[in-house]
Amino acid sequence: QKEVEQNSGPLSVPEGAIASLNCTYSDRGSQSFFWYRQYSGKSPELIMFIYSNGDKEDGRFTAQLNKASQYVSLLIRDSQPSDSATYLCAVLYGQNFVFGPGTRLSVLP
Amino acid sequence: DAGITQSPRHKVTETGTPVTLRCHQTENHRYMYWYRQDPGHGLRLIHYSYGVKDTDKGEVSDGYSVSRSKTEDFLLTLESATSSQTSVYFCAAYSGNTIYFGEGSWLTVV
Repeated sequence: QKEVEQNSGPLSVPEGAIASLNCTYSDRGSQSFFWYRQYSGKSPELIMFIYSNGDKEDGRFTAQLNKASQYVSLLIRDSQPSDSATYLCAVLYGQNFVFGPGTRLSVLP
Repeated sequence: DAGITQSPRHKVTETGTPVTLRCHQTENHRYMYWYRQDPGHGLRLIHYSYGVKDTDKGEVSDGYSVSRSKTEDFLLTLESATSSQTSVYFCAAYSGNTIYFGEGSWLTVV
């Protein structure tokens, strides 16, 4: 069974702070990792993906991957109230995506 | 947006009735998926398709069937709806190394 784990939260951070979201996965054969944001009542939308060990930055978002530890994280710098949402980690196995349960983030004004 | 639309968007049905949810895509995606999303469980794969008439089961396929007679349409059928199938259903398509979702179908079984 391929599993993806996330802390369900809620994670609360003040506006302007860095939010750190974490994800672990069970299968060392995984090669592709994704972060999705989902607002309440909406469908998930892709924030970014990462394939290689290390950091990948896109605007205020940074994804970090450590394959040896089977760990992927998402940092959100200068958090805004509009970042309040559930963040889903996903791992691609072959042609199928396995999702974690999501972490609910609340950014307090 | 990968050109994915779902219908109906909202439905209330009675226990024991069959229900069909439709996913329509306009961009010739080969791989398509049906997920359900429930509190505490996240997104769970019901069925997927890798082409016309090629489908396979996901982790929560019991009580569901799918069909794909055309590239653009992927249908999910609840053969005899139960209250445990009350959920939000998302269709998705694999495109450019990631997965894109439709807007969701909210199903309530009473």
